[in-house]
Amino acid sequence: DQQVKQNSPSLSVQEGRISILNCDYTNSMFDYFLWYKKYPAEGPTFLISISSIKDKNEDGRFTVFLNKSAKHLSLHIVPSQPGDSAVYFCAASERIGTNFGNEKLTFGTGTRLTIIP
Amino acid sequence: DTGVSQNPRHKITKRGQNVTFRCDPISEHNRLYWYRQTLGQGPEFLTYFQNEAQLEKSRLLSDRFSAERPKGSFSTLEIQRTEQGDSAMYLCASSPGSSVSQFFGPGTRLTVL
Repeated sequence: DQQVKQNSPSLSVQEGRISILNCDYTNSMFDYFLWYKKYPAEGPTFLISISSIKDKNEDGRFTVFLNKSAKHLSLHIVPSQPGDSAVYFCAASERIGTNFGNEKLTFGTGTRLTIIP
Repeated sequence: DTGVSQNPRHKITKRGQNVTFRCDPISEHNRLYWYRQTLGQGPEFLTYFQNEAQLEKSRLLSDRFSAERPKGSFSTLEIQRTEQGDSAMYLCASSPGSSVSQFFGPGTRLTVL
């Protein structure tokens, strides 16, 4: 059972435009959501996170929106740049035990973003 | 480079052999995680250490898999009697515990022939 789903395997966006990547989840116990970016032959790189009690978090060109009632989140990249071309993973965090910071991540299958110059 | 490092980067082995991978986390991070990623999938959680204590193991971690973090610094993941289904990218991540974000190493790609 896939608890975190990214239904779009790929997305192409013109340079300078907005890129919107989507993610759905099923487990109400997730307490944080994270986005990672992955280049070939490298490990995932953390981009941005959002707490389940928030609906928006912004960091430079990256904004994550969370719709808890719909169990849906999205990552907006504005403006899109050629260096943004990569695979983007949505991840949901579930606490291990009771201490903050002890977190198990469940990942989606990724969306390959291609920025067209 | 002060990021997470993993060795070796690539490992090719024959079915039935044992393999061991090493992960060196970011030095001040006391949380360490192992994940496995297969083609077309996202990383899947395997196990978690807080300092030297292994606090969580996934059901994906069969009896052939064992992980250690003896002094709370580097960690090793050993796979005994490898099978072709073990072929995957094995990723290590660390975190300081003051945030939920985990920082990943470049991974070890295992190919079992």
